[in-house]
Amino acid sequence: DAGITQSPRHKVTETGTPVTLRCHQTENHRYMYWYRQDPGHGLRLIHYSYGVKDTDKGEVSDGYSVSRSKTEDFLLTLESATSSQTSVYFCAISEKVGHNTGELFFGEGSRLTVL
Amino acid sequence: GDSVTQMEGPVTLSEEAFLTINCTYTATGYPSLFWYVQYPGEGLQLLLKATKADDKGSNKGFEATYRKETTSFHLEKGSVQVSDSAVYFCALVNQAGTALIFGKGTTLSVSS
Repeated sequence: DAGITQSPRHKVTETGTPVTLRCHQTENHRYMYWYRQDPGHGLRLIHYSYGVKDTDKGEVSDGYSVSRSKTEDFLLTLESATSSQTSVYFCAISEKVGHNTGELFFGEGSRLTVL
Repeated sequence: GDSVTQMEGPVTLSEEAFLTINCTYTATGYPSLFWYVQYPGEGLQLLLKATKADDKGSNKGFEATYRKETTSFHLEKGSVQVSDSAVYFCALVNQAGTALIFGKGTTLSVSS
């Protein structure tokens, strides 16, 4: 199994509070991703990183920011959580992407509830 | 933009039945295609993939063929088991080649 650890695994918070989710990998993979999973929507890309300090937006990036100061850590921050951000968040990593590969290895998910 | 459409679930089958989960895609060019599986309480894991037209991906008795003429990548298995109960996601590499775009997922429930 790929060495991916997400923390916290479960969190309940209140609207308007900041929240940070952490993804830690031991594989030294270049690419890291944050997806959210919601019923009826499947998995949607929030942000991704293609190297230290190199990040880009996905399709549902509003209300989220990310940082990657080290290869092994990718942080997802909700500056002011809203109820619409209640979801299960998955981190994924990949050694390389492109049209000839693209396997992602996923963490176990972080369930966030915003009351 | 690039997108993936999967058949609505849930799909409920008896053990040893034949399985088909439909997947069609919209994309520029011919992206690599994937099926991922998510077992209860876990993250997704790669089930199979195909990188070019007419390729057949296979794993654990599951198969899918990359059909560019119908822009499809349907998942099939000849005889399902209770242990195959999971959520199945079809996915493709986005046009920029930087991330995967997933379908909404299809829940499969197999009973003995």
